[in-house]
Amino acid sequence: AQSVAQPEDQVNVAEGNPLTVKCTYSVSGNPYLFWYVQYPNRGLQFLLKYITGDNLVKGSYGFEAEFNKSQTSFHLKKPSALVSDSALYFCAVRDMGSGYSTLTFGKGTMLLVSP
Amino acid sequence: EAQVTQNPRYLITVTGKKLTVTCSQNMNHEYMSWYRQDPGLGLRQIYYSMNVEVTDKGDVPEGYKVSRKEKRNFPLILESPSPNQTSLYFCASSLVGLALSTGELFFGEGSRLTVL
Repeated sequence: AQSVAQPEDQVNVAEGNPLTVKCTYSVSGNPYLFWYVQYPNRGLQFLLKYITGDNLVKGSYGFEAEFNKSQTSFHLKKPSALVSDSALYFCAVRDMGSGYSTLTFGKGTMLLVSP
Repeated sequence: EAQVTQNPRYLITVTGKKLTVTCSQNMNHEYMSWYRQDPGLGLRQIYYSMNVEVTDKGDVPEGYKVSRKEKRNFPLILESPSPNQTSLYFCASSLVGLALSTGELFFGEGSRLTVL
C-alpha cells in the first residue's frame, strides 16, 4: 500500500522568507511524486513532479522540491515567499512498480504568507 | 482552452433526491476520475475510468455511481444522497499509459454539494 503524510496542517511564513512544506511517503517500490496547489474556490493545479533523475526538481511559480530517498521525503520549497503563494498544498504519490495504481494524496497543508 | 468542466458548481439538495454532477473534458483524455475533498481527509478517489465503458471503484465508492458512455463525459450520480455525502467534489482527467503514471492530472473547478 502507498501513503503520503503531510505533518503540518498549516505553515506560516513572512513574505520574503524561505518556505518549506513537508511531505513524506511510503511505497513498496520506487515512487512517482507530485505537488499540487489549490487556491480558494479553485481546482487543484499541478506544480511539479519527481519521476527519476536529479533529486532537485523545479516547477511552476518558483517552487522546487527535493527528493530524498533515504528519508522518503519530498519537501516543497521556495527561496522567497509571496503573499500570493497562500494556498492549500497537496503532496501525492504513485508506486512506480505496481502497474497502474491510483494517485494517493496527502491531507494538505495550508500555507499562509503574511505581508 | 484545455479544461475540465463540472456542473453544477454549487448545489443544495435534500436527502434521497437523486442528483447528477456532470464532468466534461476537451483534451481527448482517456482517463477520468472523481474525488471528494473533506477537511482533514484530503482527496479521496470515488471512481475512475480508464476509457469508454471501463470504470472501476476507488477508495470511497459507496453511495455513488458513474458511467462513461463517451470519452469526454464522466458524470457522477448520487441515487439517494445522504448528509454524509456533503462534500467538495472534483473531476480530473489525464492521458493513459506511461503518461498516466508520470503525468499530471487536470482538475475541474469543483462542485460543492450540501445534502440536508
